[in-house]
Amino acid sequence: QKEVEQDPGPLSVPEGAIVSLNCTYSNSAFQYFMWYRQYSRKGPELLMYTYSSGNKEDGRFTAQVDKSSKYISLFIRDSQPSDSATYLCAMGFNNDMRFGAGTRLTVKP
Amino acid sequence: DAGVIQSPRHEVTEMGQEVTLRCKPISGHNSLFWYRQTMMRGLELLIYFNNNVPIDDSGMPEDRFSAKMPNASFSTLKIQPSEPRDSAVYFCASSFGQGRTNEKLFFGSGTQLSVL
Repeated sequence: QKEVEQDPGPLSVPEGAIVSLNCTYSNSAFQYFMWYRQYSRKGPELLMYTYSSGNKEDGRFTAQVDKSSKYISLFIRDSQPSDSATYLCAMGFNNDMRFGAGTRLTVKP
Repeated sequence: DAGVIQSPRHEVTEMGQEVTLRCKPISGHNSLFWYRQTMMRGLELLIYFNNNVPIDDSGMPEDRFSAKMPNASFSTLKIQPSEPRDSAVYFCASSFGQGRTNEKLFFGSGTQLSVL
């Protein structure tokens, strides 16, 4: 079993839909959780960073962490074609970080 | 502001040849990371530096891989000899901090390496 599991998709939604992206993990020691967005032929860019459990909101994006279930989510409201990208979760503790495989999202106009 | 700059963008080489990938981090950043991305294994950390000093190279696959950071504005990742299984996208990232992997990373656009 991988330490971080992420459904690779692909996921296709119509413009304006609410998107839910998820990762599960097995290491209960993980303390910090991130979401990166990666456009085609580009490097990942950090979208959200949360420490421990709870929610964090930034514009149309909301990150949720449920440490009891070892489950994190990224919600995108009012999705736009410009949100089409691969989304990677990342998590770790101390100086050890792991990336998920990434979920490819397409938002159709 | 210029981001992390990597060169070349694409590299096609034959098995057994030496390959050198280059990275210029964001000015003022003191940590530099080399990652490799493949469909099978996702994004993997190879090595990272803090203040030009290698901190953790446990992700380097084998002795064929080596990395250097001679100064704060330049790093190289070298593969010698290259093998087809080295084909991947190699990313360089930089950050400002204590050289920890949980810092906010700024990635370059990557080098697509194909070893024939």
